[in-house]
Amino acid sequence: GENVEQHPSTLSVQEGDSAVIKCTYSDSASNYFPWYKQELGKRPQLIIDIRSNVGEKKDQRIAVTLNKTAKHFSLHITETQPEDSAVYFCAASSEDSSYKLIFGSGTRLLVRP
Amino acid sequence: GAGVSQSPRYKVAKRGQDVALRCDPISGHVSLFWYQQALGQGPEFLTYFQNEAQLDKSGLPSDRFFAERPEGSVSTLKIQRTQQEDSAVYLCASSLAGGEQFFGPGTRLTVL
Repeated sequence: GENVEQHPSTLSVQEGDSAVIKCTYSDSASNYFPWYKQELGKRPQLIIDIRSNVGEKKDQRIAVTLNKTAKHFSLHITETQPEDSAVYFCAASSEDSSYKLIFGSGTRLLVRP
Repeated sequence: GAGVSQSPRYKVAKRGQDVALRCDPISGHVSLFWYQQALGQGPEFLTYFQNEAQLDKSGLPSDRFFAERPEGSVSTLKIQRTQQEDSAVYLCASSLAGGEQFFGPGTRLTVL
């Protein structure tokens, strides 16, 4: 079945620096790749997503890139702020697999003031 | 409008008890998903409904787990004869067909 690997598991950056989180997926049929932010004790919330017909998408300080050939996608956060501190999950899904999300294991991001 | 809601938010059960977890999706969302999130892990898929039809239950870990959505709206996840390994946060998500999944706050189940 589909597998999504995510790294690093923890990431500590200075406020204002950039943060990059990388994921790889195994199922070539995957065509939808969302990123969720989850604060402690809260629900996962979508921060950005990308579909397989584009290679890059940007929303203010957040961007996602997708390399279908290599089956990997990355989250880029620029000008990090303390409120960006949370756990970030990547996920992959496809219509073939009922749109169920297969999540990575998460990255705990700490932004130091 | 209201988001996805779940109840109860916390449930403590003794080993062997049955529990029922409720999910109220966003009105009009045809798709409903259940996920299980163990401490420190990513959510793991349990089951998927399109309207009232359960189209995928491949993630249910055992036959003690049962889910239903009889009228295509509210869904209930039932766990029979709970075991300690069932302790986790159970997340419900809803979406338009093929769209963004919106998550509920989850039910934290602790089995003693």
